[in-house]
Amino acid sequence: AQSVTQPDIHITVSEGASLELRCNYSYGATPYLFWYVQSPGQGLQLLLKYFSGDTLVQGIKGFEAEFKRSQSSFNLRKPSVHWSDAAEYFCAVGAITGGFKTIFGAGTRLFVKA
Amino acid sequence: DTGVSQDPRHKITKRGQNVTFRCDPISEHNRLYWYRQTLGQGPEFLTYFQNEAQLEKSRLLSDRFSAERPKGSFSTLEIQRTEQGDSAMYLCASSLTNEQFFGPGTRLTVL
Repeated sequence: AQSVTQPDIHITVSEGASLELRCNYSYGATPYLFWYVQSPGQGLQLLLKYFSGDTLVQGIKGFEAEFKRSQSSFNLRKPSVHWSDAAEYFCAVGAITGGFKTIFGAGTRLFVKA
Repeated sequence: DTGVSQDPRHKITKRGQNVTFRCDPISEHNRLYWYRQTLGQGPEFLTYFQNEAQLEKSRLLSDRFSAERPKGSFSTLEIQRTEQGDSAMYLCASSLTNEQFFGPGTRLTVL
C-alpha cells in the first residue's frame, strides 16, 4: 500500500537559516511526488512536484526538493528561511491507480524564530 | 477567480443532524476528489469522481456519507446523523491531469 512518512512532527529554525524537511514514501511504481504548504486557515498550496526527469525540482517561494529513488525519499529544502515560511508542510504521493488520488503524510509544522 | 470553491466555509451542527457541502471544481477538470483532514493530520482520501461516475470510495466513507456529482460539474458531500468524530476540515480538489488543485475547505464542527 502507498504511504508517506514525515518523521519530524515539528521543526524550529532561525530566520535566514537553511531548512530541510524529510519525506519518505512507499509506492510500488514510479511515484508522482508533491510538497504542499498549508498556512493556518488556508487551503493547500502546491510548492513543487516531481513526475519524471531531473531529480532536483524547483518550486515556488525558493523551495526545491530532490527525489532519491534508492532512499525512497523526497526531501524539501530551502537555503534561507523567511518568517513567512512558518506553516504546515505536507509531502504527498499521487497514486497512478485510483485516478491519481493523493496520499499525504502527517505533516511537519515549521516554526521560524527571529 | 477560476479556482476550486467550496461552500459553506464553516458549518456548526448538532450531533444527529444532516449536513451537505458543495464543491465547484475548475470548469474543465473531469476529476473531482474529496478529502478529510483532522487536526494535526494530513488530508485523507475519501472518494473521487471521473465526470459523473464515482470510481472509488475509501473505507473511511461510512454508510452515513454520500457524495454525488450529478452532471459531472459540481459535487455534494452529505453526512447523515453527524457524530462528534465527523468534526474535521473537508477538502475538495479537482484535476485534469495528475496534479490536483485544492479548494479552501469546509470546516465542520459537530457539537
